[in-house]
Amino acid sequence: AQTVTQSQPEMSVQEAETVTLSCTYDTSESDYYLFWYKQPPSRQMILVIRQEAYKQQNATENRFSVNFQKAAKSFSLKISDSQLGDAAMYFCAYRSARGAGNNRKLIWGLGTSLAVNP
Amino acid sequence: NAGVTQTPKFQVLKTGQSMTLQCAQDMNHEYMSWYRQDPGMGLRLIHYSVGAGITDQGEVPNGYNVSRSTTEDFPLRLLSAAPSQTSVYFCASRGRIQETQYFGPGTRLLVL
Repeated sequence: AQTVTQSQPEMSVQEAETVTLSCTYDTSESDYYLFWYKQPPSRQMILVIRQEAYKQQNATENRFSVNFQKAAKSFSLKISDSQLGDAAMYFCAYRSARGAGNNRKLIWGLGTSLAVNP
Repeated sequence: NAGVTQTPKFQVLKTGQSMTLQCAQDMNHEYMSWYRQDPGMGLRLIHYSVGAGITDQGEVPNGYNVSRSTTEDFPLRLLSAAPSQTSVYFCASRGRIQETQYFGPGTRLLVL
């Protein structure tokens, strides 16, 4: 069974600095998707970035980028020029690209709480 | 588009009471899911649906029922609320060929 591990329960960063959140996963599959979701205090779940496993190029969305290391099964999120609004819980998630129904559900990490210090 | 909407935002129940959490989406998404989120446990899948008339159990289905009579709506029913069901509940949807799930704003449920 697939698992997702976020080894940093809490992290902090100074405003305008860069921070990297770690995520590792375990799977025997070769075709899958990886996601980072942000959950601010409002509790809304917001998609930050998505990576397809078949793509070698790391996904980027403005100040957010990932370092996808498929062989190492690592999917870290880098936030550049951190802003106060980036303070949130960040979740890493995995989904298989094959099969149907329950086989394609999202597998979630437990989250990393990010504090941004002014 | 309103996206995924959930009502109510907050609810207090007494043990044994029943209620329905509403979820609707206006994106014509085939797939809809219900999650619960508890401290230290991340998101856990309760039930999901791959289309109107089709539902299936997730990781923690006990105590919850769902139905999917239309593409748009996916209500979650608690037949007899228990304190263990105190949680934040999220509804999510995605299209058949999409890989990104869209979440509703959540419902905070407190069962006394």
